[in-house]
Amino acid sequence: GAGVSQTPSNKVTEKGKYVELRCDPISGHTALYWYRQSLGQGPEFLIYFQGTGAADDSGLPNDRFFAVRPEGSVSTLKIQRTERGDSAVYLCASSLTPGAAYEQYFGPGTRLTVT
Amino acid sequence: AQSVTQLGSHVSVSEGALVLLRCNYSSSVPPYLFWYVQYPNQGLQLLLKYTSAATLVKGINGFEAEFKKSETSFHLTKPSAHMSDAAEYFCAVSSSAGTASKLTFGTGTRLQVTL
Repeated sequence: GAGVSQTPSNKVTEKGKYVELRCDPISGHTALYWYRQSLGQGPEFLIYFQGTGAADDSGLPNDRFFAVRPEGSVSTLKIQRTERGDSAVYLCASSLTPGAAYEQYFGPGTRLTVT
Repeated sequence: AQSVTQLGSHVSVSEGALVLLRCNYSSSVPPYLFWYVQYPNQGLQLLLKYTSAATLVKGINGFEAEFKKSETSFHLTKPSAHMSDAAEYFCAVSSSAGTASKLTFGTGTRLQVTL
């Protein structure tokens, strides 16, 4: 079956611009996660949704970052006033239900470059 | 709070040799532990996970890991390396408490397999 998909695969934007990154989870998966992976680092947690609500947004670095999942399926990560330090690969993952014992399935990521 | 330390950012082995990738964790509650593999330009794929059942966990592609509470370790091994094992490997920890399931990753170990 289809895995987690993310669009676009690459995004280049100028400093100060607004960007949206999209994640399509595996059908039927209720939990959705966003992570950010900087060069040479492991992924870092940003936010986690259970259904439509953000259950944990403790990883969002500041108020320029925001994410939504209005219908409990597709999610959009929104970054305002982008900075060069936002350049990274943004990974989305989904799992059947929340809970640490359940496998998170990762998408291929969106590589964001802020010039 | 939880954290993961991966010793060795790069490991090189000969084809057919033993693979040993080290992971030590820190967690205030009983942890769930994971190993993920990332091939170039692909998403993370779960190799194996420890969720408090057997301490020796077998995963895909011939990999296994042993949970050692006394050493706070979860090292990944494979008896005989294959060229196709060349990739980035990430150890991750999650909390078994409640439904919180965000993953905390190590910085990764790049495995090189030579002829």
